[in-house]
Amino acid sequence: AQSVTQPDIHITVSEGASLELRCNYSYGATPYLFWYVQSPGQGLQLLLKYFSGDTLVQGIKGFEAEFKRSQSSFNLRKPSVHWSDAAEYFCAVGRPDNQGGKLIFGQGTELSVKP
Amino acid sequence: DADVTQTPRNRITKTGKRIMLECSQTKGHDRMYWYRQDPGLGLRLIYYSFDVKDINKGEISDGYSVSRQAQAKFSLSLESAIPNQTALYFCATSEGRSQYFGPGTRLTVL
Repeated sequence: AQSVTQPDIHITVSEGASLELRCNYSYGATPYLFWYVQSPGQGLQLLLKYFSGDTLVQGIKGFEAEFKRSQSSFNLRKPSVHWSDAAEYFCAVGRPDNQGGKLIFGQGTELSVKP
Repeated sequence: DADVTQTPRNRITKTGKRIMLECSQTKGHDRMYWYRQDPGLGLRLIYYSFDVKDINKGEISDGYSVSRQAQAKFSLSLESAIPNQTALYFCATSEGRSQYFGPGTRLTVL
C-alpha cells in the first residue's frame, strides 16, 4: 500500500536561513508527488508538483523540490526563509494509474520561523 | 471570489445531532473530494465523486454520507455526530492530477 512519511513533526529555522523539509514515500513505481502549504486558518495551497521529467521542480513562493528515485524522497527546499513561510507543510502522493485521483498525505511538518 | 467554498466555516454541535457540511465550486471540475484533518495524522479521504452519478468511499467513510447535488455541489453529512468526529474538514476538486482545496470547516462535537 502507498504511504507517505514526513519524519519531522516540527522544525524551527531562523529568518533568512535555508530550509529543507523531508518527505519519503512507499510505492511500487514513480508516483505523482505534491507539496501543499497550510497557513493558519487557511485551506491547503499547492506549492509544487512532480509528474515526470526534470527531477528538480520549481514552485511558488521560491520553493523547489527534488525527486530522488533511489531514495524514494521528494524533499522541499527554500534557500532563504521568510517569516511569512511559517505554516504547516504537507507532502502527498498520487497514483499514475489514476485511482480516482486520490491523494495520500503525510502527517505534516509544522514550520516556525525565528526573527 | 474563492473557487472552492465551504459552509459553515465553524460549527459546534452535540452528540447525536445530524449535521451537513456543504461545498461549492466554480472551477467546473468533475471530481470532488471530502477529507478530514486531525493533528499528527495529515488528511484522510472520506468520500470522493467523479461526477454527479458517481460516489465512492474513501479511507474512513464509516459514520459519514455524501450527496452530489450538482457538478458544483458536494455535501458531507454526519447522521449522528460523535465526539471523535471533531476535526477540520476539507473539500477539494480536481481536473487531472492536481487537487484544489477549500478553506475548511472546523467541526466540534460535544
